[in-house]
Amino acid sequence: GQSLEQPSEVTAVEGAIVQINCTYQTSGFYGLSWYQQHDGGAPTFLSYNALDGLEETGRFSSFLSRSDSYGYLLLQELQMKDSASYFCAVRYGGATNKLIFGTGTLLAVQP
Amino acid sequence: EAQVTQNPRYLITVTGKKLTVTCSQNMNHEYMSWYRQDPGLGLRQIYYSMNVEVTDKGDVPEGYKVSRKEKRNFPLILESPSPNQTSLYFCASMVESSYNEQFFGPGTRLTVL
Repeated sequence: GQSLEQPSEVTAVEGAIVQINCTYQTSGFYGLSWYQQHDGGAPTFLSYNALDGLEETGRFSSFLSRSDSYGYLLLQELQMKDSASYFCAVRYGGATNKLIFGTGTLLAVQP
Repeated sequence: EAQVTQNPRYLITVTGKKLTVTCSQNMNHEYMSWYRQDPGLGLRQIYYSMNVEVTDKGDVPEGYKVSRKEKRNFPLILESPSPNQTSLYFCASMVESSYNEQFFGPGTRLTVL
């Protein structure tokens, strides 16, 4: 079946670097994206990878390896406000344009 | 201001009473989608629409209907709600050819008794 796997929880301290992994198994692939969601709020878009390699946007970077069906989100210089849930998502390609999300990783940033 | 709006934000209803959750976007986006979010299950796509009069099922379409008569609106209809449809619902939109950058509405918390 179609699935995306992420760790359920990650804990880190302020100022540190944390990596959130995502492995996917889908029948099609049209890019891996990442979203952030604070408790009770709407998800917000962070980044997108269609091709292999690293994409950098400020303190956040995202990496993709299509041959390994694997990606990660890297958060640097962690701040307390980064405490949130992070979701990876894959858009199918081909005949369907479904979007499937991982179950999310809850990041707790400690002082 | 570019945004996706949903109404109502909160709704408590009873089993079998038809309801509609509205969704509207002012960004002229082609792609619109409905998700439900349940603890431990992440966001699951219910239905999506690639453009006016073009809709298709997501992963959990049972018990839901949608329509896309205008580009800006994408209502979610529950003809006969059941308690297992109690959930947090999000509407989202994006440019069809975009890098999967979806804009989400604020969410609708639905409770079916």
